[in-house]
Amino acid sequence: NAGVTQTPKFQVLKTGQSMTLQCAQDMNHNSMYWYRQDPGMGLRLIYYSASEGTTDKGEVPNGYNVSRLNKREFSLRLESAAPSQTSVYFCASSEFSRGSWPQHFGDGTRLSIL
Amino acid sequence: GENVEQHPSTLSVQEGDSAVIKCTYSDSASNYFPWYKQELGKRPQLIIDIRSNVGEKKDQRIAVTLNKTAKHFSLHITETQPEDSAVYFCAASSTNTGNQFYFGTGTSLTVIP
Repeated sequence: NAGVTQTPKFQVLKTGQSMTLQCAQDMNHNSMYWYRQDPGMGLRLIYYSASEGTTDKGEVPNGYNVSRLNKREFSLRLESAAPSQTSVYFCASSEFSRGSWPQHFGDGTRLSIL
Repeated sequence: GENVEQHPSTLSVQEGDSAVIKCTYSDSASNYFPWYKQELGKRPQLIIDIRSNVGEKKDQRIAVTLNKTAKHFSLHITETQPEDSAVYFCAASSTNTGNQFYFGTGTSLTVIP
């Protein structure tokens, strides 16, 4: 099993461009999450999807949109990229959102916005 | 929302010594506390977790303790080895908030051979 797979691994954008980060999991997990990781700030939740068909905002949702395409896939979209969105983005999944469940992370997407 | 503080931000120990990383949290409803290890350029990986109905949990050289009254929890690594060098993150979550994880800012551990 691949676990959580993110594409692309690296991307450079110009300010104002748009792009979609893809995430897929093969663990039959119900819940999926998008985080950004910045130096000295740990991981911060952008959006999450407790189950197929639902999405909710996390700590830092501004400038992002998400789509839970099906149970396996959860994408993150930057409509108009800004330099402040330069970061490493991690997707994660957990079996459920109710209760206490570990989250399993993908390898990350390193995004630079010029 | 929840606020998780983690200390120290950097830690250097001699190989074979113990390392302790501490975290505090603010939301008394938090009931799940995982610890993640992240090597340079890699994904965070779960190394141990503890639930609020347990005070201590061990897994070989790694242990986590939880003090619900004081709202703090700690990671203990004994007999450290160079491969323990990494950034460690604590997190807290509550069943009330959709299993959202609130992460500490990380501790960079260096084990000196």
